Amino acid sequence: AQSVTQLGSHVSVSEGALVLLRCNYSSSVPPYLFWYVQYPNQGLQLLLKYTSAATLVKGINGFEAEFKKSETSFHLTKPSAHMSDAAEYFCAVSPMNYGGSQGNLIFGKGTKLSVKP
Amino acid sequence: GAGVSQSPSNKVTEKGKDVELRCDPISGHTALYWYRQSLGQGLEFLIYFQGNSAPDKSGLPSDRFSAERTGGSVSTLTIQRTQQEDSAVYLCASSFRLAGAGDEQYFGPGTRLTVT
Repeated sequence: AQSVTQLGSHVSVSEGALVLLRCNYSSSVPPYLFWYVQYPNQGLQLLLKYTSAATLVKGINGFEAEFKKSETSFHLTKPSAHMSDAAEYFCAVSPMNYGGSQGNLIFGKGTKLSVKP
Repeated sequence: GAGVSQSPSNKVTEKGKDVELRCDPISGHTALYWYRQSLGQGLEFLIYFQGNSAPDKSGLPSDRFSAERTGGSVSTLTIQRTQQEDSAVYLCASSFRLAGAGDEQYFGPGTRLTVT
């Protein structure tokens, strides 16, 4: 069964520092991969997605992620953290069977990012 | 345009009562999804609709949970005989096509259900 693992339930960085949020997936077939962000008391908003085009994907708010098949990873990065980046971040995979998608997303448990002034 | 809307935003109910949660997807989106978000548990997939049909009901936690979608638009998630473990935020999402086509899912703000 496909799964998503996010290393670190909490990550704290200083403002201006590099943000690195880790995501590893388990899938026998290269999946589609997504990063979502959730601000307090709000729904989820898409940051970026990988759909088998370029392996380096650029998203909103200066975030980007690189798909590495050999490492089954899709880590999210931002060169310089801003206070407004404080939120919870979810990595998700669209499970693929050889017959096609099952339709839903499988989410990791999330990483809460804190940004210190 | 309008995003995904959900109602009510908050619902407090007594154990044993039935509740209905409503989701209005983005117009024209054929796929609709329900997820449950519990503290410390992440997002748990419940059910998805392609049009009015639900090909996969395996994510529903028990037979107390049911969902329907009518007219390819509004969906209702019903929880019968609510239990305290049903307390969570229920999120609805919609997409133009299924997630497997690489389409983004647009999420509503959620309904926070509290069972006392």
